Amino acid sequence: KAGVTQTPRYLIKTRGQQVTLSCSPISGHRSVSWYQQTPGQGLQFLFEYFSETQRNKGNFPGRFSGRQFSNSRSEMNVSTLELGDSALYLCASSLNGGNQPQHFGDGTRLSIL
Amino acid sequence: GQQLNQSPQSMFIQEGEDVSMNCTSSSIFNTWLWYKQDPGEGPVLLIALYKAGELTSNGRLTAQFGITRKDSFLNISASIPSDVGIYFCAGPDGSSNTGKLIFGQGTTLQVKP
Repeated sequence: KAGVTQTPRYLIKTRGQQVTLSCSPISGHRSVSWYQQTPGQGLQFLFEYFSETQRNKGNFPGRFSGRQFSNSRSEMNVSTLELGDSALYLCASSLNGGNQPQHFGDGTRLSIL
Repeated sequence: GQQLNQSPQSMFIQEGEDVSMNCTSSSIFNTWLWYKQDPGEGPVLLIALYKAGELTSNGRLTAQFGITRKDSFLNISASIPSDVGIYFCAGPDGSSNTGKLIFGQGTTLQVKP
């Protein structure tokens, strides 16, 4: 059974640019959550999608957005990139969210120059 | 909001030793999850706990869901070099039934051969 796949694995951008990250969940999983991981703040929740709807959103500015497609694949977008957006962005999937354990991809390492 | 306090922050042990780490919260969690993260990879689910008092093993790993539902611990017996990594506790955000996990700050484990 294939795991969660995130692309690309590494990305280098400059300030002001925008970026789109992709996540393919485990087959059959309908909930996709996104997290930002930094050395200073740890793992912080960005948002969760279920059946193409955003069900929950963390405390991040509106520059961070996402969407989910009918096949449960998800993308997140960050516009007007800032130096502080440099982080590991992790995607996780579960069957339906809630109390179910989430399974993570290996992340996209985003570096802002 | 809900927070998880994980301790210790780091451990440096000799191969063969047993390891214990714990996670506490001021609020109740209905599920406790333990993950391990290796450098350059996403967190991997080790153990999931769903009932207060539950004790679950996965090979040399044992985790318990505290009776008060405000704490959990993870034990690793007879540590080996591949146990090196960062261990996270996590639990679903209780204010919503969506896929939002709250994470502890992590325990970094180093094993000396």
